[in-house]
Amino acid sequence: GAVVSQHPSRVICKSGTSVKIECRSLDFQATTMFWYRQFPKQSLMLMATSNEGSKATYEQGVEKDKFLINHASLTLSTLTVTSAHPEDSSFYICSADGTAKNIQYFGAGTRLSVL
Amino acid sequence: AQKITQTQPGMFVQEKEAVTLDCTYDTSDPSYGLFWYKQPSSGEMIFLIYQGSYDQQNATEGRYSLNFQKARKSANLVISASQLGDSAMYFCAMREYNTDKLIFGTGTRLQVFP
Repeated sequence: GAVVSQHPSRVICKSGTSVKIECRSLDFQATTMFWYRQFPKQSLMLMATSNEGSKATYEQGVEKDKFLINHASLTLSTLTVTSAHPEDSSFYICSADGTAKNIQYFGAGTRLSVL
Repeated sequence: AQKITQTQPGMFVQEKEAVTLDCTYDTSDPSYGLFWYKQPSSGEMIFLIYQGSYDQQNATEGRYSLNFQKARKSANLVISASQLGDSAMYFCAMREYNTDKLIFGTGTRLQVFP
């Protein structure tokens, strides 16, 4: 398998602040990482595909200025929720293609609560 | 149209029994992969099993097996000898290789009782 680490696991912030979430591939290099959002009792929805050294590809309806993605190295992608509002409260989870390319391995997720 | 359909919002199974979680999919891409993930209450997504569209045999991983019926476009997960720790949400997912995106079903909540 492959290990993906995500940090922080939980964050509570005030409305209007920005929050950065990190996703690291620990034992492999990931040219592509993925960011998902999951509302309570719902499925995962792909937000964006993060490509090392280039701009992220966002899914339709996802505001790229709101959800900034940076993939500066082969082992790290970050998602920054800018000027967070209560409606941004959700579970955010990242993934990366492991060494067996067909399989995506996931981080443990970040639960964001915006007050 | 739904790409991945899981018709069972919840399932119950007694410990040590086998259970089948249903999944059907829809794609016109001849090359795709099918996956099952387990999500316990902690939220992490745990990869369980993978089936490629060209694989001739059904995938197996320990107590997990995937009943792949290509003509019916179904990819049911079979868990044998259920354990209390198997209680979780289970998501079926498909990856179409022309888009490279992983698409998830709505999930099935499995509860294993003693």
